[in-house]
Amino acid sequence: QKEVEQNSGPLSVPEGAIASLNCTYSDRGSQSFFWYRQYSGKSPELIMFIYSNGDKEDGRFTAQLNKASQYVSLLIRDSQPSDSATYLCAVVLSGGYNKLIFGAGTRLAVHP
Amino acid sequence: DGGITQSPKYLFRKEGQNVTLSCEQNLNHDAMYWYRQDPGQGLRLIYYSQIVNDFQKGDIAEGYSVSREKKESFPLTVTSAQKNPTAFYLCASKRGGVTEAFFGQGTRLTVV
Repeated sequence: QKEVEQNSGPLSVPEGAIASLNCTYSDRGSQSFFWYRQYSGKSPELIMFIYSNGDKEDGRFTAQLNKASQYVSLLIRDSQPSDSATYLCAVVLSGGYNKLIFGAGTRLAVHP
Repeated sequence: DGGITQSPKYLFRKEGQNVTLSCEQNLNHDAMYWYRQDPGQGLRLIYYSQIVNDFQKGDIAEGYSVSREKKESFPLTVTSAQKNPTAFYLCASKRGGVTEAFFGQGTRLTVV
């Protein structure tokens, strides 16, 4: 089992819709969870950081964390063509060394 | 301006050469990371360091070496033992504890 798993996509949504991106992780002791957006050829950009169970909202983005189910998701409301990118889920593993591991990423395509 | 600086942006290596990629941060972050990204793939962890003079192997450390002599600097050497080094290399850093991690702009290494 991979430490961080994401569907590779592509996930295709129409402009204005809600895009839902999912991520599961295997280390039950993990405490920190991240969503990054990466445009082709560029470095990842942090869009959400969550560490408490429940929802965290920032503008059009909502991260949802469920530690019991080992599941973290990202919702993008009112999707725009500029949101078309790869979304990377990342987790800091337990064990005390701040090991930060990434999923393979989900490619999102928002079409007009 | 605070941030993470990677240099050079593009690097060309001849077969059998060692090359060193630079990563410097002025954010006073404790932890630093090196990742490799191949086209269409996620980020794979090469090495990471939580404190000065200490570092751990990631998932794909073979053919790479690092040092952490200063808190601000975490250079990565791609040795001749790395048989397929052409990739996009990304450096990241974060403070200790439950905090965000940020990336530099990346170095694109090509073997010629």
